[in-house]
Amino acid sequence: SYVLTQPPSVSVAPGKTARITCGGNNIGSKSVHWYQQKPGQAPVLVIYYDSDRPSGIPERFSGSNSGNTATLTISRVEAGDEADYYCQVWDSSSDLWVFGGGTKLTVL
Amino acid sequence: EVQLVESGGGLVQPGGSLRLSCSASGFTFSSYAMHWVRQAPGKGLEYVSAISSNGGSTYYADSVKGRFTISRDNSKNTLYLQMSSLRAEDTAVYYCVKGSTVTTGWFDPWGQGTLVTVSS
Repeated sequence: SYVLTQPPSVSVAPGKTARITCGGNNIGSKSVHWYQQKPGQAPVLVIYYDSDRPSGIPERFSGSNSGNTATLTISRVEAGDEADYYCQVWDSSSDLWVFGGGTKLTVL
Repeated sequence: EVQLVESGGGLVQPGGSLRLSCSASGFTFSSYAMHWVRQAPGKGLEYVSAISSNGGSTYYADSVKGRFTISRDNSKNTLYLQMSSLRAEDTAVYYCVKGSTVTTGWFDPWGQGTLVTVSS
């Protein structure tokens, strides 16, 4: 089955840029979606189709996808961005959706 | 506003059964695939099951195949997950999630979740 690999944690100072990666075999050929989950809350979609932002999501959130790595970039990080972030793809070989293991973003 | 409200969670003994429900509103329920995703305490998201808009196609993670059954009643705007032969490792918050009109689409929004605890 298809495996998505995320770093367990990323730390960044307020105002700086955070980059959260999602690795997978030829992930650039797939559509990647990203979710933010704050403690005690349900996940929220922040990026879909690699780089599109749903309404209500700040422009500080952006995404890219190429080769074997997809990246969620959060610019001008704020304390409120502290959360777990998950990437997701559809794996056509198994007809299932797959989540990465999640990355905890800590704002220092 | 799209709303998804799960119910039916609770404490169940190993080997027991439970049926989760998800009441949907604010969108044309019959036009969208629907999903169940779970999250064990302190762990990440795990995909569980999906059903196509008309109920004609269903998908299951290997970990629940043969034990869980997803279904929907488009006349009642309700999604279900029948869980049987429950194991301790099925303990998790179960989220009902609205899919999109395409298979590869995103999940949005998510319900608030319902906790299932499998323990004797």
